[in-house]
Amino acid sequence: DAKTTQPNSMESNEEEPVHLPCNHSTISGTDYIHWYRQLPSQGPEYVIHGLTSNVNNRMASLAIAEDRKSSTLILHRATLRDAAVYYCILRLYSGAGSYQLTFGKGTKLSVIP
Amino acid sequence: DTEVTQTPKHLVMGMTNKKSLKCEQHMGHRAMYWYKQKAKKPPELMFVYSYEKLSINESVPSRFSPECPNSSLLNLHLHALQPEDSALYLCASSQDGGQGYYGYTFGSGTRLTVV
Repeated sequence: DAKTTQPNSMESNEEEPVHLPCNHSTISGTDYIHWYRQLPSQGPEYVIHGLTSNVNNRMASLAIAEDRKSSTLILHRATLRDAAVYYCILRLYSGAGSYQLTFGKGTKLSVIP
Repeated sequence: DTEVTQTPKHLVMGMTNKKSLKCEQHMGHRAMYWYKQKAKKPPELMFVYSYEKLSINESVPSRFSPECPNSSLLNLHLHALQPEDSALYLCASSQDGGQGYYGYTFGSGTRLTVV
């Protein structure tokens, strides 16, 4: 199964950009890259996802390497509310037309005031 | 309505009890999911329903029984659970039938304690 590798933890200063890396060297051509974050005592929250091209939305940007073996989630200006565990996930084919998101260990982001 | 609503938020049950967790969404999403999350661990997929049919069962013990009565509602029936089943149970939904073209919307979970 294609899997992802992320650093266990990262720190960022408030109001500075944050680049969260993810390696997925065994990704296949149809695997979408999803990012979610989870705040303490809450369910995961969708952040962004993409296939090949870089993606932007109101929360973040997703930069995907040309060979698709790595990606980077970019928070343009970290706030204290961005402190969370960030999960990089691949959409994997499970057979019979079904796909699933299987969570890895994630990166715990701390934001320093 | 852009939410997935899970009830109850907290549940304590004995090992001989039967209880049910409920999940509801009114976004017209066609796939719904149950995940289990132990403390300080990532969520683990349990079941996937696509167009109201069970499409994935991740070898979950039969003491967990999912049900999808209609496209908006997903239940998880619990019976004869063990203390190690204590966890946060998360429900999610997605716009497509589980093809992963769209992001998932998660509920805030039901925190289950088995005594």
